[in-house]
Amino acid sequence: QVRLQESGPGLVKPSETLSLTCTVSGGSINSGAYYWSWIRQHPGKGLEWIGYIYHSGSTSNNPSLSSRVSMSVDTSKNQFSLKMTSVTAADTAVYYCARGNGYNNFPFDFWGQGTLVAVSS
Amino acid sequence: ENVLTQSPATLSLSPGERATLSCRASQSVSSGHLAWYQQRPGQAPRLLIYATSSRATGIPDRFSGSGSGTDFTLTISRLEPEDFAVYFCQQFGRSTWTFGQGTKVEIK
Repeated sequence: QVRLQESGPGLVKPSETLSLTCTVSGGSINSGAYYWSWIRQHPGKGLEWIGYIYHSGSTSNNPSLSSRVSMSVDTSKNQFSLKMTSVTAADTAVYYCARGNGYNNFPFDFWGQGTLVAVSS
Repeated sequence: ENVLTQSPATLSLSPGERATLSCRASQSVSSGHLAWYQQRPGQAPRLLIYATSSRATGIPDRFSGSGSGTDFTLTISRLEPEDFAVYFCQQFGRSTWTFGQGTKVEIK
């Protein structure tokens, strides 16, 4: 069973950089047609896909966030990470990491439990 | 961007009733890349249906998906107490994912 676990600060100051890491267990991040993704959910709202990174390091981001988002992967630690620059209160949300499954028409079949990130001074 | 619009926003039903949730896309969804998720309060979303109509592992057969092109439906044949939750549809196309805004199924 694949498990994902987000980690990182729960509080970030405005204009600073949000950094989160997702640790994957129960399967290798370095194989298969899987798209390791970040998704966020504003309080009481819907889901917003942020972007994905493939094990090769190739990425794709939501155009609405693209200029502020970067992602990286560390296959030796079975982890991938998100950085979002110049955050504002509008970036306060629960951030999930998830696996996009390219074998089954690209659903997110495994999710982390989510981590709440608040942007506040 | 392929915008997904879910209706209704809220569905008030009793246990044992049938629930029909709609998801309409602004553009045709590529190759049936349409999925449905259930989210209970305080939990991460859980995959129910992928590829329009395939149930994910461990999902009961009272959940079914259908549709094509721009119109998709999630049906719950007989609501169980644990099915009262929020449901999201999601599509994949051109290396991007988008989600609908959700339908809340609440107890009447």
